[in-house]
Amino acid sequence: GENVEQHPSTLSVQEGDSAVIKCTYSDSASNYFPWYKQELGKRPQLIIDIRSNVGEKKDQRIAVTLNKTAKHFSLHITETQPEDSAVYFCAASDSGGSNYKLTFGKGTLLTVNP
Amino acid sequence: DTGVSQDPRHKITKRGQNVTFRCDPISEHNRLYWYRQTLGQGPEFLTYFQNEAQLEKSRLLSDRFSAERPKGSFSTLEIQRTEQGDSAMYLCASSPGVYTYEQYFGPGTRLTVT
Repeated sequence: GENVEQHPSTLSVQEGDSAVIKCTYSDSASNYFPWYKQELGKRPQLIIDIRSNVGEKKDQRIAVTLNKTAKHFSLHITETQPEDSAVYFCAASDSGGSNYKLTFGKGTLLTVNP
Repeated sequence: DTGVSQDPRHKITKRGQNVTFRCDPISEHNRLYWYRQTLGQGPEFLTYFQNEAQLEKSRLLSDRFSAERPKGSFSTLEIQRTEQGDSAMYLCASSPGVYTYEQYFGPGTRLTVT
C-alpha cells in the first residue's frame, strides 16, 4: 500500500517568515495530494490540493508543488501569521480500485511566533 | 451548518461495552469514509462507502468493528467489546462523487475506553 513520510514533525517560524513542509510518497500511481490543517480539537480542514497532472498550485499565501519523478510534494506558506499555527497533514490518494482513500503523513506542528 | 456532522462528539465507555457512532455527510455526497486518528498521528483509513455499498475495509477494522450506511445517507460505526486500544478520534469524511477527490471531514467522535 501507499506510505507517506512528512517532515519536519515540528516547525517554528517568526511571523512574516515562510514555512515549508515536505512529503514523500511511495506509490507512483498515486494521483491526488491534499493538504489539511487541523487546529487543536478541530476537524481536519482541506486547505489546498494538487493532482498529478499539475506541477504547482497557488491560493493566496499557500502554494503546493509536486515532483512526480521524485515522488515528493511540498506545502509553502508565505507571510505566516499567528493564525497559521496548527498541525498540517499531507496525504496521497491510494489509487487501488476507485475509492480515492487517503493515506496521511504524521503531521507537522507549525508554530508562528508573533 | 451544511458540513459533515458526527454524534456524539465524546464517548467514555468501559472496556467490554459496545458503542455506536453516527455520521451525517454533506447532502448528496455519494462517498463516505471512516478514519481513526490517535494522538500525534495522521488519520488512518478504516472503511469506505459508495452510496449504501461498503466497498473497502482496512485490515485495521477487526471483526469487532462494523459499519453501515443503510440508505446511502448517514452512516454508523459500531465497536463491540471495546478495548483500551480502541481509544481514539473517529473521523468521518464525505466526498461528492465520481471523479471528485476532495474529502471533507466531520468534527470527529473522541472515544475513551476505561
